[in-house]
Amino acid sequence: EAGVTQFPSHSVIEKGQTVTLRCDPISGHDNLYWYRRVMGKEIKFLLHFVKESKQDESGMPNNRFLAERTGGTYSTLKVQPAELEDSGVYFCASSQTSGGASNTQYFGPGTRLTVL
Amino acid sequence: AQSVTQLDSHVSVSEGTPVLLRCNYSSSYSPSLFWYVQHPNKGLQLLLKYTSAATLVKGINGFEAEFKKSETSFHLTKPSAHMSDAAEYFCVVSLSYNTDKLIFGTGTRLQVFP
Repeated sequence: EAGVTQFPSHSVIEKGQTVTLRCDPISGHDNLYWYRRVMGKEIKFLLHFVKESKQDESGMPNNRFLAERTGGTYSTLKVQPAELEDSGVYFCASSQTSGGASNTQYFGPGTRLTVL
Repeated sequence: AQSVTQLDSHVSVSEGTPVLLRCNYSSSYSPSLFWYVQHPNKGLQLLLKYTSAATLVKGINGFEAEFKKSETSFHLTKPSAHMSDAAEYFCVVSLSYNTDKLIFGTGTRLQVFP
Protein backbone atom coordinates (compact mmCIF):
# COMPACT_ATOMS: atom_id res chain seq x y z
CA GLU A 1 0.00 0.00 0.00
CA ALA A 2 1.40 3.38 -0.98
CA GLY A 3 1.94 5.86 1.81
CA VAL A 4 1.22 9.57 1.86
CA THR A 5 3.06 11.31 -0.94
CA GLN A 6 3.93 14.95 -1.29
CA PHE A 7 5.13 17.01 -4.21
CA PRO A 8 7.51 18.70 -4.65
CA SER A 9 10.06 17.51 -2.12
CA HIS A 10 11.82 20.86 -2.27
CA SER A 11 10.79 24.28 -3.53
CA VAL A 12 12.84 27.45 -3.63
CA ILE A 13 10.99 30.64 -4.53
CA GLU A 14 11.43 34.36 -4.14
CA LYS A 15 9.44 36.50 -1.79
CA GLY A 16 6.17 37.54 -3.41
CA GLN A 17 5.90 34.50 -5.66
CA THR A 18 3.24 31.83 -5.44
CA VAL A 19 3.85 28.19 -4.57
CA THR A 20 1.46 25.25 -4.57
CA LEU A 21 2.17 22.12 -2.56
CA ARG A 22 0.38 18.89 -3.26
CA CYS A 23 -0.48 15.96 -1.01
CA ASP A 24 -1.87 12.57 -1.98
CA PRO A 25 -3.23 10.72 1.03
CA ILE A 26 -3.34 6.98 1.52
CA SER A 27 -6.11 5.57 -0.64
CA GLY A 28 -9.40 5.37 1.24
CA HIS A 29 -8.42 7.85 3.94
CA ASP A 30 -11.12 10.47 4.33
CA ASN A 31 -9.09 12.61 6.73
CA LEU A 32 -6.25 14.77 5.52
CA TYR A 33 -4.14 17.12 7.60
CA TRP A 34 -1.52 19.77 6.93
CA TYR A 35 1.21 20.65 9.41
CA ARG A 36 4.36 22.72 9.11
CA ARG A 37 7.65 23.10 10.89
CA VAL A 38 9.28 26.48 10.77
CA MET A 39 13.03 26.43 11.37
CA GLY A 40 13.87 25.80 15.01
CA LYS A 41 10.27 25.46 16.08
CA GLU A 42 7.91 22.58 16.72
CA ILE A 43 5.66 21.02 14.12
CA LYS A 44 2.33 22.85 14.15
CA PHE A 45 -1.11 21.91 12.90
CA LEU A 46 -2.53 23.95 10.03
CA LEU A 47 -5.83 22.34 9.08
CA HIS A 48 -7.91 19.19 8.77
CA PHE A 49 -10.10 18.03 5.90
CA VAL A 50 -12.79 15.41 6.14
CA LYS A 51 -13.31 14.43 2.54
CA GLU A 52 -13.61 17.76 0.75
CA SER A 53 -14.78 19.77 3.78
CA LYS A 54 -12.57 21.78 6.12
CA GLN A 55 -13.18 20.37 9.58
CA ASP A 56 -10.69 22.53 11.45
CA GLU A 57 -8.62 25.34 9.98
CA SER A 58 -7.66 26.95 13.26
CA GLY A 59 -3.95 26.65 12.54
CA MET A 60 -3.86 28.50 9.23
CA PRO A 61 -1.55 31.47 9.82
CA ASN A 62 -3.22 34.05 7.56
CA ASN A 63 -5.18 34.53 4.36
CA ARG A 64 -2.10 34.09 2.18
CA PHE A 65 -2.59 30.35 2.69
CA LEU A 66 -5.32 28.54 0.78
CA ALA A 67 -5.95 24.83 1.12
CA GLU A 68 -8.26 22.86 -1.12
CA ARG A 69 -9.33 19.26 -1.48
CA THR A 70 -11.66 19.16 -4.42
CA GLY A 71 -13.31 15.77 -4.82
CA GLY A 72 -12.01 14.62 -1.48
CA THR A 73 -8.88 12.99 -2.85
CA TYR A 74 -5.60 14.91 -3.08
CA SER A 75 -5.11 18.30 -1.49
CA THR A 76 -3.21 21.41 -2.43
CA LEU A 77 -1.84 24.14 -0.22
CA LYS A 78 -1.17 27.42 -1.98
CA VAL A 79 0.87 30.23 -0.52
CA GLN A 80 0.29 33.55 -2.28
CA PRO A 81 2.27 35.75 -2.00
CA ALA A 82 5.02 33.93 -0.16
CA GLU A 83 6.91 35.70 2.62
CA LEU A 84 10.27 34.89 4.18
CA GLU A 85 8.64 33.56 7.36
CA ASP A 86 6.79 30.93 5.33
CA SER A 87 10.01 28.95 4.91
CA GLY A 88 9.90 25.57 6.56
CA VAL A 89 8.84 21.98 6.04
CA TYR A 90 5.20 21.33 5.22
CA PHE A 91 3.90 17.91 6.20
CA CYS A 92 0.75 16.22 5.10
CA ALA A 93 -0.88 13.36 6.97
CA SER A 94 -3.93 11.20 6.47
CA SER A 95 -6.04 8.92 8.61
CA GLN A 96 -8.87 6.52 8.02
CA THR A 97 -10.98 7.46 11.01
CA SER A 98 -11.57 10.75 12.74
CA GLY A 99 -11.15 11.22 16.45
CA GLY A 100 -11.17 8.57 19.11
CA ALA A 101 -8.51 6.13 20.13
CA SER A 102 -8.27 4.51 16.73
CA ASN A 103 -7.22 7.64 14.89
CA THR A 104 -3.63 7.28 13.71
CA GLN A 105 -2.22 9.87 11.37
CA TYR A 106 0.27 8.71 8.75
CA PHE A 107 2.68 11.33 7.54
CA GLY A 108 4.27 12.07 4.23
CA PRO A 109 7.95 12.98 3.77
CA GLY A 110 7.23 16.71 3.72
CA THR A 111 7.92 19.55 1.29
CA ARG A 112 10.82 21.81 2.20
CA LEU A 113 9.91 25.37 1.19
CA THR A 114 12.56 28.05 1.05
CA VAL A 115 11.52 31.63 0.42
CA LEU A 116 14.40 33.94 -0.54
CA ALA B 1 -4.99 23.33 26.95
CA GLN B 2 -2.72 20.50 26.00
CA SER B 3 0.99 20.77 25.60
CA VAL B 4 3.98 18.49 25.50
CA THR B 5 7.53 19.13 26.68
CA GLN B 6 10.52 17.17 25.51
CA LEU B 7 13.12 17.74 28.13
CA ASP B 8 16.21 17.16 25.99
CA SER B 9 16.88 18.65 22.58
CA HIS B 10 19.83 16.29 22.02
CA VAL B 11 20.70 12.89 23.46
CA SER B 12 23.89 11.00 22.70
CA VAL B 13 24.44 7.34 23.52
CA SER B 14 26.87 4.62 22.58
CA GLU B 15 25.69 1.69 20.52
CA GLY B 16 24.43 -1.08 22.75
CA THR B 17 23.57 1.19 25.70
CA PRO B 18 20.05 2.10 26.83
CA VAL B 19 18.10 4.99 25.36
CA LEU B 20 15.85 7.30 27.39
CA LEU B 21 14.01 10.15 25.71
CA ARG B 22 11.92 12.17 28.13
CA CYS B 23 8.48 13.65 27.57
CA ASN B 24 6.03 15.37 29.89
CA TYR B 25 2.53 16.33 28.85
CA SER B 26 -0.22 18.60 30.03
CA SER B 27 -3.83 17.81 29.24
CA SER B 28 -7.19 18.58 30.78
CA TYR B 29 -8.64 15.34 29.44
CA SER B 30 -7.41 11.80 29.11
CA PRO B 31 -4.91 12.20 26.30
CA SER B 32 -3.77 10.01 23.50
CA LEU B 33 0.00 10.07 23.34
CA PHE B 34 2.32 9.16 20.51
CA TRP B 35 5.98 8.95 19.67
CA TYR B 36 6.96 9.62 16.07
CA VAL B 37 10.45 9.31 14.57
CA GLN B 38 11.93 11.11 11.61
CA HIS B 39 15.03 9.73 9.95
CA PRO B 40 17.03 12.06 7.68
CA ASN B 41 15.15 12.87 4.48
CA LYS B 42 12.24 10.64 5.49
CA GLY B 43 8.70 11.28 6.67
CA LEU B 44 7.44 11.00 10.22
CA GLN B 45 6.93 7.39 11.22
CA LEU B 46 4.73 6.28 14.09
CA LEU B 47 6.74 4.40 16.73
CA LEU B 48 3.96 3.73 19.22
CA LYS B 49 0.79 5.16 20.72
CA TYR B 50 -1.00 5.17 24.06
CA THR B 51 -4.79 5.31 24.04
CA SER B 52 -5.84 4.51 27.64
CA ALA B 53 -5.36 0.77 27.43
CA ALA B 54 -2.16 -0.74 28.89
CA THR B 55 0.14 1.86 30.41
CA LEU B 56 3.25 0.17 29.02
CA VAL B 57 3.18 0.47 25.26
CA LYS B 58 5.44 -1.49 22.97
CA GLY B 59 6.35 -0.07 19.60
CA ILE B 60 8.42 -0.90 16.60
CA ASN B 61 12.17 -1.50 16.57
CA GLY B 62 12.31 -2.44 20.25
CA PHE B 63 11.07 0.89 21.60
CA GLU B 64 8.56 1.17 24.41
CA ALA B 65 7.01 3.92 26.48
CA GLU B 66 5.26 4.01 29.82
CA PHE B 67 2.31 6.28 30.55
CA LYS B 68 2.56 7.60 34.12
CA LYS B 69 -0.44 9.74 34.98
CA SER B 70 0.89 10.72 38.41
CA GLU B 71 4.03 12.13 36.80
CA THR B 72 2.33 13.27 33.57
CA SER B 73 5.13 11.57 31.70
CA PHE B 74 5.45 9.38 28.64
CA HIS B 75 9.16 8.61 28.35
CA LEU B 76 10.49 6.57 25.44
CA THR B 77 13.03 3.84 26.14
CA LYS B 78 15.00 1.15 24.37
CA PRO B 79 17.29 -1.32 26.15
CA SER B 80 20.05 -1.28 23.56
CA ALA B 81 20.67 1.44 20.99
CA HIS B 82 21.51 0.63 17.40
CA MET B 83 23.25 2.91 14.93
CA SER B 84 20.07 2.96 12.84
CA ASP B 85 18.19 4.57 15.75
CA ALA B 86 19.91 7.89 15.08
CA ALA B 87 17.05 10.22 14.17
CA GLU B 88 14.79 12.92 15.56
CA TYR B 89 12.02 11.80 17.90
CA PHE B 90 8.79 13.65 18.60
CA CYS B 91 6.46 13.23 21.53
CA VAL B 92 2.90 14.08 20.51
CA VAL B 93 -0.38 14.54 22.37
CA SER B 94 -3.91 14.53 21.07
CA LEU B 95 -7.18 15.12 22.84
CA SER B 96 -8.85 12.60 20.55
CA TYR B 97 -12.01 14.01 22.02
CA ASN B 98 -13.30 16.83 19.86
CA THR B 99 -10.33 17.49 17.62
CA ASP B 100 -7.84 15.49 15.57
CA LYS B 101 -5.19 18.16 16.04
CA LEU B 102 -1.83 16.75 17.12
CA ILE B 103 0.35 18.81 19.45
CA PHE B 104 4.05 18.16 18.91
CA GLY B 105 6.98 18.54 21.23
CA THR B 106 10.04 20.33 19.95
CA GLY B 107 11.83 17.06 19.17
CA THR B 108 14.85 15.22 20.55
CA ARG B 109 17.73 14.44 18.24
CA LEU B 110 19.29 11.10 19.12
CA GLN B 111 22.91 10.46 18.21
CA VAL B 112 24.34 6.95 18.46
CA PHE B 113 28.10 6.53 18.59
CA PRO B 114 29.87 3.28 17.70
